[in-house]
Amino acid sequence: KAGVTQTPRYLIKTRGQQVTLSCSPISGHRSVSWYQQTPGQGLQFLFEYFSETQRNKGNFPGRFSGRQFSNSRSEMNVSTLELGDSALYLCASSLGHGYTFGSGTRLTVV
Amino acid sequence: KQEVTQIPAALSVPEGENLVLNCSFTDSAIYNLQWFRQDPGKGLTSLLLIQSSQREQTSGRLNASLDKSSGRSTLYIAASQPGDSATYLCAFAGGTSYGKLTFGQGTILTVHP
Repeated sequence: KAGVTQTPRYLIKTRGQQVTLSCSPISGHRSVSWYQQTPGQGLQFLFEYFSETQRNKGNFPGRFSGRQFSNSRSEMNVSTLELGDSALYLCASSLGHGYTFGSGTRLTVV
Repeated sequence: KQEVTQIPAALSVPEGENLVLNCSFTDSAIYNLQWFRQDPGKGLTSLLLIQSSQREQTSGRLNASLDKSSGRSTLYIAASQPGDSATYLCAFAGGTSYGKLTFGQGTILTVHP
């Protein structure tokens, strides 16, 4: 059974650029959530999608956005990148009880 | 606002010791609590999930308990091994934040031979 797949694994971007990260959940999981992990702030919730609808959103600026497709795959987009956006971005999928995380995308903004 | 606190922040023990990691949360409206392990630079690996109707869960050398009345969960690791070295995170799901996990800052565990 395939786990949660995140692509790409690593990204290097320049300040001001935008980036799109992808997450494919476990088959049958309709909930996908995104988290940002940094050494200083730990794991912070970005947003959660269920059946293509955003149900919950964390305290991040509008530069962070996401969407979910009809096959439950999700993307998150960060526009106008800042140095502080450098982090490990993790997505998780759930069937209702418990979450399974992907390996993450390591984003470095230079 | 839900807060999750983990104690201790770091722990270094010799191989073979039994150890307890602590997690406390402020919101009593818990849906479930999940313990994860994270190796450096990697994603999160789920260890144990305790639903609100349960008191504890066990998997191999790991046992996690949940006390909703006191807002606490503990992760017990028996006969620790160097391969157990990692960061352990507890995550709270519940309250009004549907679909969201609130994480503690983690306990960095080092087990030396």
